Amino acid sequence: GAGVSQTPSNKVTEKGKYVELRCDPISGHTALYWYRQSLGQGPEFLIYFQGTGAADDSGLPNDRFFAVRPEGSVSTLKIQRTERGDSAVYLCASSLIVAGGVNEQFFGPGTRLTVL
Amino acid sequence: AQSVTQLDSHVSVSEGTPVLLRCNYSSSYSPSLFWYVQHPNKGLQLLLKYTSAATLVKGINGFEAEFKKSETSFHLTKPSAHMSDAAEYFCVVSDREYGNKLVFGAGTILRVKS
Repeated sequence: GAGVSQTPSNKVTEKGKYVELRCDPISGHTALYWYRQSLGQGPEFLIYFQGTGAADDSGLPNDRFFAVRPEGSVSTLKIQRTERGDSAVYLCASSLIVAGGVNEQFFGPGTRLTVL
Repeated sequence: AQSVTQLDSHVSVSEGTPVLLRCNYSSSYSPSLFWYVQHPNKGLQLLLKYTSAATLVKGINGFEAEFKKSETSFHLTKPSAHMSDAAEYFCVVSDREYGNKLVFGAGTILRVKS
């Protein structure tokens, strides 16, 4: 079956511009996660959705970052007034929620964002 | 708070020799632990996971990891390296006390020499 997909695969923008990154989770997965992977580092958690609501947004670095998941499926990560330090690979993952179990997260290929 | 320390940023082995990638973690008394692999220009793939069942966990492609609570370690091993194992490996911790987010180590790049 289809895995997690992310579009675009690459995005180049200029400092100060607005960008949107899209994630299509695996069908039926109620949980969706965004992570950011900077060069030479492991991915860092940004935000977690359970259904349509953000259950944990503690990883968002500042108020320029915002994410939505209006129908509980596709999610969009939005970055306003981009800065060069926002350049990274943005990863999306999805999972089922298993009560009392481990929620294995399945990752998409990522969107490489470059801010010039 | 949760954290993961991968003790080696780079490991180089010869094909056919054993692989050892070291990981120490900090978490509550009941963490879940994972190893993910990332090949160049490909997405993260789960190798194996520990979920408080057997302490020796077998994963895909011949990899294993052993959970040692007394040492707070979760080292990844493979008896015989293959060229296709060359990739970056991430040790990851998750704890339901902190929600479902994954906390990644900085990664270990494995190089396999022919």
